[in-house]
Amino acid sequence: DGGITQSPKYLFRKEGQNVTLSCEQNLNHDAMYWYRQDPGQGLRLIYYSQIVNDFQKGDIAEGYSVSREKKESFPLTVTSAQKNPTAFYLCASSWTSGGREQFFGPGTRLTVL
Amino acid sequence: ELKVEQNPLFLSMQEGKNYTIYCNYSTTSDRLYWYRQDPGKSLESLFVLLSNGAVKQEGRLMASLDTKARLSTLHITAAVHDLSATYFCAVDSTQGAQKLVFGQGTRLTINP
Repeated sequence: DGGITQSPKYLFRKEGQNVTLSCEQNLNHDAMYWYRQDPGQGLRLIYYSQIVNDFQKGDIAEGYSVSREKKESFPLTVTSAQKNPTAFYLCASSWTSGGREQFFGPGTRLTVL
Repeated sequence: ELKVEQNPLFLSMQEGKNYTIYCNYSTTSDRLYWYRQDPGKSLESLFVLLSNGAVKQEGRLMASLDTKARLSTLHITAAVHDLSATYFCAVDSTQGAQKLVFGQGTRLTINP
């Protein structure tokens, strides 16, 4: 089955800790994205990558970091510099041509204790 | 800067009724997407609208795009309870690299 997987589904972090959220896709998509969703809100773009070994900041990149060493993987690290990280994190992927429809993974719910 | 606004943000309606959700955006774009989100779940793609005048229909949902008015509509016909969800529109920024800007979402509740 082709799709996007995210792990873990739920993640608890103590203040001051860095945590890494996994995102893997086997759709052979070129582009991958990370979004944050707060309760009752829309999605906000954190980082995106259109090609391996390259990525750009989105609208709310402060306190986050990413890497894109493989086409199928785009992990997100939430650092201790992110002061309010409790949220629902969604990873997506798409082609970079044609309809460029983004397909979303199941999400990771991060809670700071 | 591209801004996307949906209205209404909350909509409660009875089964069998028709209604429309509106999505306005602030700068030129000819790519607009509609997504559905159930509580606690991820986003499911509903429609991809890629040109002025595009109309797509799936079951009781129909989406259209007017790029001149910078407006998309999601029309619900004869609503049923299973359509209760939050609906998002998203517009593809045409400046620089592809980035989607999402509306705030419309929380739709359909009552028996």
